[in-house]
Amino acid sequence: GNSVTQMEGPVTLSEEAFLTINCTYTATGYPSLFWYVQYPGEGLQLLLKATKADDKGSNKGFEATYRKETTSFHLEKGSVQVSDSAVYFCALRSAGGTSYGKLTFGQGTILTVHP
Amino acid sequence: SQTIHQWPATLVQPVGSPLSLECTVEGTSNPNLYWYRQAAGRGLQLLFYSVGIGQISSEVPQNLSASRPQDRQFILSSKKLLLSDSGFYLCAWSVVDNEQFFGPGTRLTVL
Repeated sequence: GNSVTQMEGPVTLSEEAFLTINCTYTATGYPSLFWYVQYPGEGLQLLLKATKADDKGSNKGFEATYRKETTSFHLEKGSVQVSDSAVYFCALRSAGGTSYGKLTFGQGTILTVHP
Repeated sequence: SQTIHQWPATLVQPVGSPLSLECTVEGTSNPNLYWYRQAAGRGLQLLFYSVGIGQISSEVPQNLSASRPQDRQFILSSKKLLLSDSGFYLCAWSVVDNEQFFGPGTRLTVL
């Protein structure tokens, strides 16, 4: 079956530091890959996505590249801000009609950014 | 534009009591609907999904059930809550092969 593995947190950084959150996956075929962000007490928001190999998703200074050869989709940001403090989830969606759009999530990585 | 509502936002219930959480979507037709649970310090677990009215698929055996009485309404229920049912419940929708959009969630505490 499908699975997503994220680097364990929590991750604590100073403002303006470089961020990497690793994500690797196991799936058959060519899944779509997503990063969601959850701010305290809120639901999840889509941060970025990539639907095929070598695609780069980007939003709000965050980037992730779909690497099929390493089955990875690592999240990066060059300079984090305090407002980036949140929980980040990597997820995949299988291709094909029988998946019904179901997502498989990683366990989430807590990011705390200090001033 | 599309919006998704969940209520209540927070709920504290005693063990053994019933549960009903509601999710409604506006601005779209025939969405796929999903219920997830996020237990403290853990990731998201898909509980149920629905591709149409009256069609419910369960992902994991548990103390909960789901129903979809209308196209844009998805209800999560239990007849008797357990302590282990505590968590943050999230409803989501999607259409075709697009991304899922999540509601604000309901925090359930079972005492």
